[in-house]
This record gives sequence, C-alpha cells and structure tokens, in this order.
Amino acid sequence: AQKVTQAQTEISVVEKEDVTLDCVYETRDTTYYLFWYKQPPSGELVFLIRRNSFDEQNEISGRYSWNFQKSTSSFNFTITASQVVDSAVYFCALRRLSYDKVIFGPGTSLSVIP
Amino acid sequence: NAGVTQTPKFQVLKTGQSMTLQCAQDMNHEYMSWYRQDPGMGLRLIHYSVGAGITDQGEVPNGYNVSRSTTEDFPLRLLSAAPSQTSVYFCASNPSPYGEAFFGQGTRLTVV
Repeated sequence: AQKVTQAQTEISVVEKEDVTLDCVYETRDTTYYLFWYKQPPSGELVFLIRRNSFDEQNEISGRYSWNFQKSTSSFNFTITASQVVDSAVYFCALRRLSYDKVIFGPGTSLSVIP
Repeated sequence: NAGVTQTPKFQVLKTGQSMTLQCAQDMNHEYMSWYRQDPGMGLRLIHYSVGAGITDQGEVPNGYNVSRSTTEDFPLRLLSAAPSQTSVYFCASNPSPYGEAFFGQGTRLTVV
C-alpha cells in the first residue's frame, strides 16, 4: 500500500529560525516521484519540487532545501532563515508510474511569527 | 497567462441538487485531474483524464462524473449533492504524467 505521512500537523517558529518539515512515504514501487507543494493562506497550491526515486541528490533552492533518503523513505524539506511569507500549509505527495496513483500527505501547517 | 481557471470560487448547494464545477486550462496539457481537499486528509484524487475523450476514476469517484470533450476543459459534475461532498475542490493539469501539477484556485463547496 502507498502512504505519505507528515507527522507534524502544526509547527510554529519565530522569524529567522530554521525549520524542517518531515515527510515519510511508503511504497513497494521501485520507480516513483515525490513532490512538495505549498498552500499559502490565499488557498492556491504552488509546486515547489519534484524528485524521482533514482535521484537521491539533495537540492537547494535559495532558502529551501530538500533531503531525499531512500534508506529511510524520507523526503524532508528545510527552510533556512524562515520568513513570515513562508507561513503556509505544506504538502508532500507520492506519485506512482501510473497517472491515477497519487497520494498526498495530510499537510503540515507552518506559522512563522515575526 | 491564465493557467488553470476554476469557476465558481464559492458555491452553496442544497442536498440533492446537482451542479457542474468548471475547469479550463490554456497550457495545452493532456493530463488533468480533480481533487478534493478535506481537513487533515490532504488532497484526494476524484477523477482524472489523460487526454480528450479519456477519463478514469481516482481514489474517491463516487457521486461525481467527468467528461473531457476538449483538451482545454474538464468539468466535474455532482449528480445529487450530499453533505459529505462539502469540501474544497481543485482542478489540476500536468504537462506530463509525472510532471508538476498546475492547480486552479479552488472551489469551496458547501452542501446543506
């Protein structure tokens, strides 16, 4: 069975702190894709990153970085020097090779306090 | 640069009423999907389409119908609304099966 767990329901940090959002997934597939999306208070969903199961390189984009570890089935997301604009709900998602199979985690609500 | 456009943004229905949520994209994407978002459950796939004339069921298809007569449009029909269908609905399109999803702004539906 496929599953995505985001154990942190809500996180609150003070501006400029670093914060890591956890994502743990379950799948029996050897080929799959992992995603992170951001949903700010305005409600839209914004794509952040995609990773395929064969690419375990960590990625950094500005203040954002992602740590993909197949050995622990985790795809964690770190925001460095958080800002108020980072306040949002963040979703981790797993997609199998077939287009119909996509599983979203329940989301982590991040509040960055000025 | 419209992207994915959903209408309406808000809707209140009475139990048993039917309605259609509209979704249109102008990016010429073959792949389109409908999701519902409920608190604590992330997004769940309702129906999807891999091209004009081709649709299939996702994880939670009951109570919903879709059609895809053109590449641009992918409407979602609620046949007989039930309070359990109160949710936020998102339409999305993808340029490829495994590519990033481009989401519409969402439709907040309340069934009373």
